[in-house]
Amino acid sequence: EVQLVESGGGLVKPGGSLRLSCAASGFTFSSYSMNWVRQAPGKGLEWVSSISSSSSYIYYADSVKGRFTISRDNAKNSLYLQMNSLRAEDTAVYYCARGEGSTSSYWGQGTLVTVSS
Amino acid sequence: QSVLTQPPSVSAAPGQKVTISCSGSSSNIGNNYVSWYQQLPGTAPKLLIYDNNKRPSGIPDRFSGSKSGTSATLGITGLQTGDEADYYCGTWDSSLSAGEFGGGTKLTVL
Repeated sequence: EVQLVESGGGLVKPGGSLRLSCAASGFTFSSYSMNWVRQAPGKGLEWVSSISSSSSYIYYADSVKGRFTISRDNAKNSLYLQMNSLRAEDTAVYYCARGEGSTSSYWGQGTLVTVSS
Repeated sequence: QSVLTQPPSVSAAPGQKVTISCSGSSSNIGNNYVSWYQQLPGTAPKLLIYDNNKRPSGIPDRFSGSKSGTSATLGITGLQTGDEADYYCGTWDSSLSAGEFGGGTKLTVL
């Protein structure tokens, strides 16, 4: 069974940093691209970033480019999102999802990031 | 403002059929596969349709997808109260090198 478990969310002050993690199991992690998608309270889904299976290709939404860094450790079956210079508008539930082409086939339960003073 | 345009809401009676549209452009829907996701209240999104019209294992055939040009459509037949949820279309935008989601459509089963 495919499982994705996010962690690392919490309350952080504007300008602060946070590192999210996503632990994957139930599939060959190193064979799949991975995505981060977020959802602000009461709002729709927003794609944040994607990383290919070998980390050769990395993409970011303009809203986070230069502030967020996606990475992965295939030996640890883990995906990460380093978030710096956080803003109030980054407040959201952050989901990791397994990528298959343009599809996010499996999603984690999400971790809440709140940016507030 | 989403690159992909969906109606904010749709509604229909139990047992009826509803369609949800997703409009984009040649750089996204026109040249990439479309997926559809269902998000029940308080839960994570779940994949309903991938590659325009394919259903993952376990998704009933009441759900269907289609694509024509730069638009895609999700169809749901035999509506049930349990289908009340937010539905999102998604794809890749080749010009922006970015993933894209529609703004979401809230389905109400009256």
